[in-house]
Amino acid sequence: DVKVTQSSRYLVKRTGEKVFLECVQDMDHENMFWYRQDPGLGLRLIYFSYDVKMKEKGDIPEGYSVSREKKERFSLILESASTNQTSMYLCASSFQRDTYNEQFFGPGTRLTVL
Amino acid sequence: AQTVTQSQPEMSVQEAETVTLSCTYDTSESDYYLFWYKQPPSRQMILVIRQEAYKQQNATENRFSVNFQKAAKSFSLKISDSQLGDAAMYFCAEGFSSNTGKLIFGQGTTLQVKP
Repeated sequence: DVKVTQSSRYLVKRTGEKVFLECVQDMDHENMFWYRQDPGLGLRLIYFSYDVKMKEKGDIPEGYSVSREKKERFSLILESASTNQTSMYLCASSFQRDTYNEQFFGPGTRLTVL
Repeated sequence: AQTVTQSQPEMSVQEAETVTLSCTYDTSESDYYLFWYKQPPSRQMILVIRQEAYKQQNATENRFSVNFQKAAKSFSLKISDSQLGDAAMYFCAEGFSSNTGKLIFGQGTTLQVKP
């Protein structure tokens, strides 16, 4: 079974703090993704990576950065957390040679910024 | 921009009955795939069913089936004999043949199953 894990299920941070969200997958997937999930807006792609040290902006990259130093790990960084970044964050991964591009998801991190 | 639209924010169904969740998409690509994902409360999102656009036959997985209308760009999910465990948020998504593996997700539909 593919396993995608995220470092925290719940996180509470203060405005202005630097926040790190970690995601690890154990299936040697090349592609990794960070989404933000908000009611009524579905999943919106923040950043994705198709190889180590490679990253591309998604639809809503402002206020976020990412790091992928190892194939299995993809980190999302909030440089200076703001209250409008309170949300559910989902990490996903997929196998590049999978024709269907099926994505496997982590359990999510619910981040609250006070 | 390519979009996926789920026009039903919430749906409810009586246990053992059938419910259909709607999804429309907007793409000019010829080679694409469509997915329904399920996100149970406080649990991980999982793939329910997928459909290749080049296949005319509708995909089925046990009690889950789709109605794929390519010309209308419609991809609805039918859940037969609904069970309490089907209660979840369901997301429709579209993917394309590319190495990036990006998917475009709809807004989601919350399904309530009443005993």
